[in-house]
Amino acid sequence: QQQVKQSPQSLIVQKGGISIINCAYENTAFDYFPWYQQFPGKGPALLIAIRPDVSEKKEGRFTISFNKSAKQFSLHIMDSQPGDSATYFCAASIVTGGGNKLTFGTGTQLKVEL
Amino acid sequence: DVKVTQSSRYLVKRTGEKVFLECVQDMDHENMFWYRQDPGLGLRLIYFSYDVKMKEKGDIPEGYSVSREKKERFSLILESASTNQTSMYLCASSPSDRLYYGYTFGSGTRLTVV
Repeated sequence: QQQVKQSPQSLIVQKGGISIINCAYENTAFDYFPWYQQFPGKGPALLIAIRPDVSEKKEGRFTISFNKSAKQFSLHIMDSQPGDSATYFCAASIVTGGGNKLTFGTGTQLKVEL
Repeated sequence: DVKVTQSSRYLVKRTGEKVFLECVQDMDHENMFWYRQDPGLGLRLIYFSYDVKMKEKGDIPEGYSVSREKKERFSLILESASTNQTSMYLCASSPSDRLYYGYTFGSGTRLTVV
């Protein structure tokens, strides 16, 4: 049973456009929602993260929108650039005293065209 | 400055072989994780460890075991490799005192079992 559902599987956006990737979760106990960016041949790298006590977090061109009642969160990439072409993963975890075990979505392959 | 190092980028092993994947981190993190990444399935957790000598099963532990004898090293063992274990394997670590910090991933080991 997939606990974090991600869409779309792939996305093509024109340079300067807005890229939007959506995720939905089932477990209401999740309390940490990061996004990871992965370039070919590299491991995923933390891009931006949010906790459920806020509805939006912005870092540069990247924004997470969080809807707790709908159990959904999304990544918006403003002014998308060819260098943003990568695979993006959403994730969720329950933070406990021992650690934070992340459950990942299935990934979105983003291509930004000139 | 590489922080999570996976010993091999590419490995080719034969069916039935015992395979060791090594991961070392130099950030003094308590938590370490092994994921496998497959197209369309995202990252799936195999095993994790919150302390030396401690291990916990993730979502897909069958056919795998782990060893953590030292804080900085977390090994994934395929007891008898099978073709369905052909995949990209990713190691990650995170600190226990900053649980909203996120993971640091290695670059991955692409394992092919023939």
